[in-house]
Amino acid sequence: GENVEQHPSTLSVQEGDSAVIKCTYSDSASNYFPWYKQELGKRPQLIIDIRSNVGEKKDQRIAVTLNKTAKHFSLHITETQPEDSAVYFCAAKNYGQNFVFGPGTRLSVLP
Amino acid sequence: DSGVTQTPKHLITATGQRVTLRCSPRSGDLSVYWYQQSLDQGLQFLIQYYNGEERAKGNILERFSAQQFPDLHSELNLSSLELGDSALYFCASSAGYWDTDTQYFGPGTRLTVL
Repeated sequence: GENVEQHPSTLSVQEGDSAVIKCTYSDSASNYFPWYKQELGKRPQLIIDIRSNVGEKKDQRIAVTLNKTAKHFSLHITETQPEDSAVYFCAAKNYGQNFVFGPGTRLSVLP
Repeated sequence: DSGVTQTPKHLITATGQRVTLRCSPRSGDLSVYWYQQSLDQGLQFLIQYYNGEERAKGNILERFSAQQFPDLHSELNLSSLELGDSALYFCASSAGYWDTDTQYFGPGTRLTVL
């Protein structure tokens, strides 16, 4: 079955800097890759997603890139703000299968 | 607000007891997923229902069961509770069966087993 790894497990950046979180997946048939942000004690919230027919997607300060050959995808947050501090989860999904989540990255944006 | 509702928000019970968690998906969504998130842990997929039928099972214990009703709401039943069952339980819904459907999470039920 699918296995998703996520790095780093924790990340601290200065406010205004960029943050990059990388995930790798094992099942080459996976074709949907969402990213979720979870604040302490709250629900995971979808922040951006990408499908396998697209290499990059951007939404304001957030972007996701996908490299299907290498089987990895990355979340890029630019101009980080303190409110970006949270745990970020990546996930992978294959047609007919279920979402498999990475273990999460705890991002701290220091003012 | 994702449109997915879960009740109750908090549940405190004792070991050996049985509880039922309820989830109402977003209007029009046919798939419901259940996840368990223990303290500082990731999201563990438990089970998925699509339009009333079980679609897939993850790491769900035999003490746990779920169902989806004709009105599409779902219930997760946890029995013979153990201390280790204390966790946040999330329900999520998506529109379809197995496509690249966006999945929306409910606010979760925090279960504490004493």
